[in-house]
Amino acid sequence: GQSLEQPSEVTAVEGAIVQINCTYQTSGFYGLSWYQQHDGGAPTFLSYNGLDGLEETGRFSSFLSRSDSYGYLLLQELQMKDSASYFCAVRDRGTRGKLIFGQGTELSVKP
Amino acid sequence: GAGVSQSPSNKVTEKGKDVELRCDPISGHTALYWYRQSLGQGLEFLIYFQGNSAPDKSGLPSDRFSAERTGGSVSTLTIQRTQQEDSAVYLCASSLANQHTEAFFGQGTRLTVV
Repeated sequence: GQSLEQPSEVTAVEGAIVQINCTYQTSGFYGLSWYQQHDGGAPTFLSYNGLDGLEETGRFSSFLSRSDSYGYLLLQELQMKDSASYFCAVRDRGTRGKLIFGQGTELSVKP
Repeated sequence: GAGVSQSPSNKVTEKGKDVELRCDPISGHTALYWYRQSLGQGLEFLIYFQGNSAPDKSGLPSDRFSAERTGGSVSTLTIQRTQQEDSAVYLCASSLANQHTEAFFGQGTRLTVV
């Protein structure tokens, strides 16, 4: 089976840096993705790591280490609008690309 | 259309009634997913289509739930004899078949069973 573990909540202040970790157990997957969901909204794609290492997109970066079954999302220069839930996700090789999500991390950014 | 479209956006139904939820994916997207999300919770996988076939139906909670996809496009999720615990937001997403591409979500159908 497959499972992804994330912290349920993280709190940080405006301007700070926060890291949201994701550990996973899966027999095989294509890569690790991150999605953002604001209250009442639909999840939207943030980033994808197909290979080990760091991917940077503006204030957001994402990291993957397949040997450690671990990844993280790094958010820099936090803004109030970054308050949202963040989900890690993998596409499972065993079922031709089924997309599986972690339980999500609720990020609260305080002034 | 420009994005994934779901209808209705809200549905209130009486316990025991059947409901149909519709998802219209982005044109050309062969993969289609259904998820369920309860308030403040994560995305619970229900079913996944590649074209018209469903490689994985393992997430359907009971035999009251079924889904189909026709013409490699529109999908309907049917819940028979609805129960109060079925109340949730039902989200649909679509993506290209390529395993590296992102999934695009619709705005969801908020189902309330009274």
